[in-house]
Amino acid sequence: QQQVKQSPQSLIVQKGGISIINCAYENTAFDYFPWYQQFPGKGPALLIAIRPDVSEKKEGRFTISFNKSAKQFSLHIMDSQPGDSATYFCAAYLPNGKLTFGQGTILTVHP
Amino acid sequence: DAGVIQSPRHEVTEMGQEVTLRCKPISGHNSLFWYRQTMMRGLELLIYFNNNVPIDDSGMPEDRFSAKMPNASFSTLKIQPSEPRDSAVYFCASSSRQAGTDTQYFGPGTRLTVL
Repeated sequence: QQQVKQSPQSLIVQKGGISIINCAYENTAFDYFPWYQQFPGKGPALLIAIRPDVSEKKEGRFTISFNKSAKQFSLHIMDSQPGDSATYFCAAYLPNGKLTFGQGTILTVHP
Repeated sequence: DAGVIQSPRHEVTEMGQEVTLRCKPISGHNSLFWYRQTMMRGLELLIYFNNNVPIDDSGMPEDRFSAKMPNASFSTLKIQPSEPRDSAVYFCASSSRQAGTDTQYFGPGTRLTVL
């Protein structure tokens, strides 16, 4: 059972454009929502995270938007750069520390 | 800090052989997680430990898989006997809720190929 659904599976953006990745969840027990970035041959690394009592969090060019009532959250990458090309995973934590990942989005930013 | 350390980085073995993957978590972290990543199934949690005790092993595919954490600085994931469908990248991650962060830090992974 996929508890965190992520879309799209792949995304192609021109340099300078906005990349948007969406996630939805069902389990209301989730209490923390991170996004991970993974480059080929590397492990996932935390990019940005948000708690459900906040509707938006911004760190540099990366913004999470969170809609608690709709049980949806999204990652926006402003001014996308070729160096942002990677696989992005949304995830959700349960209070016991267990992390469930979305299926991942392969982002390609063309120069 | 050196981060999460995994060994070996690559493992090629033949079907039926025993495979042991190793992980050294970040010093001071009290939670350790084993994940498997494949194209078809994405990132799957296999098992996780809190304070060296297995808490949830519901993700372990079958009895051929076993994991141990004999102390706070070492864990193993063993597959015996291995099968071609076990081919994947296996990640270890650690975290410390006591430190006030929920962040899981991932190791570089072990790429396992079972022929």
